[in-house]
Amino acid sequence: DSGVTQTPKHLITATGQRVTLRCSPRSGDLSVYWYQQSLDQGLQFLIQYYNGEERAKGNILERFSAQQFPDLHSELNLSSLELGDSALYFCASSPGAVSSYNEQFFGPGTRLTVL
Amino acid sequence: GQNIDQPTEMTATEGAIVQINCTYQTSGFNGLFWYQQHAGEAPTFLSYNVLDGLEEKGRFSSFLSRSKGYSYLLLKELQMKDSASYLCAVRSLSGGYNKLIFGAGTRLAVHP
Repeated sequence: DSGVTQTPKHLITATGQRVTLRCSPRSGDLSVYWYQQSLDQGLQFLIQYYNGEERAKGNILERFSAQQFPDLHSELNLSSLELGDSALYFCASSPGAVSSYNEQFFGPGTRLTVL
Repeated sequence: GQNIDQPTEMTATEGAIVQINCTYQTSGFNGLFWYQQHAGEAPTFLSYNVLDGLEEKGRFSSFLSRSKGYSYLLLKELQMKDSASYLCAVRSLSGGYNKLIFGAGTRLAVHP
């Protein structure tokens, strides 16, 4: 158990809908990262937040958005869902934003299926 | 741009040694990680290299050559439970912040 929690574990929805994925980082970690993992694309970095502020952006679509709240939990919002958005979405956390050693601890993931 | 290459699949025999290679091209290199991921589960941290050389951790070792943009993960005394995907990830420092870029992973199958 990494200490990172994600809810829900599974989510099934229809095209065009909107969903929210939730992540609670390890106690004391200030950075939260979101990743998408689909069968044909490996683990893709989406976005990073540090202490409530956006810090780095990867291949995140405009239909997707995220935020980190004062209690440091984070939410990833996916809207106008398409079949291709079906994937495992992982959240990871680490203590800081920039450091010489910054291992990321991954949550169990949310499996999103868009029908 | 950023590019990370590793073999898609490998097979090995229980008790043997296997080496998984990773080559990368990135700007702002700031360390290389290896993660293990069993199907449908979260990646778990295996090793970290930021300086050239070999880091050993039990049955697992990782090597880095920054000048060659090359790393490998060495797994000794293979066990059936080592059947998993192994992800090479490069940390890139850009704009004052780190990004972790993952390779597509190497799926390792260990046979009796």
